[in-house]
Amino acid sequence: QSVLTQPPSASETPGQRVTISCSGSSSNIGVNDVYWYQQLPGTAPKLLIYRINQRPSGVPDRFSGSKSGTSASLAISGLRSEDEADYHCAAWDDSLSGWVFGGGTKLTVL
Amino acid sequence: QVQLQESGPGLVKPSQTLSLTCTVSGGSVSIGDYYWSWIRQLPGKGLEWIGYIYYSGSTYYNPSLKSRVTISVDTSKHQFSLKLSSVTAADTAVYYCARNSSFGMDVWGQGTTVTVSS
Repeated sequence: QSVLTQPPSASETPGQRVTISCSGSSSNIGVNDVYWYQQLPGTAPKLLIYRINQRPSGVPDRFSGSKSGTSASLAISGLRSEDEADYHCAAWDDSLSGWVFGGGTKLTVL
Repeated sequence: QVQLQESGPGLVKPSQTLSLTCTVSGGSVSIGDYYWSWIRQLPGKGLEWIGYIYYSGSTYYNPSLKSRVTISVDTSKHQFSLKLSSVTAADTAVYYCARNSSFGMDVWGQGTTVTVSS
């Protein structure tokens, strides 16, 4: 049981926009930054979004992040087949004094 | 460009201690801007943070694993290590090492699969 809650799956057709949610609490997302990681099949996770809505160099602006209260979202616009991956959210939890993750969302591009 | 590489046994017997090492190349574990993490991914599951260490030796552990985990650093070898004691089949997972910066976990190793079985 992950501390952060994500839908297990999401799907959309190429070119469309999809949003993945991440729900937490007042001890993690409510007071700290959110991070998103992309995990392509058979590979290690890769940093996708940091500090809620910042993109590392090389990440397309099709990827965007947001936060409201104790929830966060990752939006992917102009979906491509290569976006098919698992997406994980993460935040520091002040009560646990540690990093917590969501259970991951498997994105299928139909 | 910094790269991380995990190494260690792929098979560990129940009740024994899992030991993994992460070697940092193209950079140094002694840079004060970073913490060095261990994360695992149970089969078909999400990611679980195990803990991290600062170059000075300060450590932070996941409370759920704290009683069994030790993370150490060897700055001379540019390595940091994980020991997880009293393992069971529930500890079978892919184990990753990663660099923690102010930008998040921004560099990851490729991961190593550890199976706990007799």
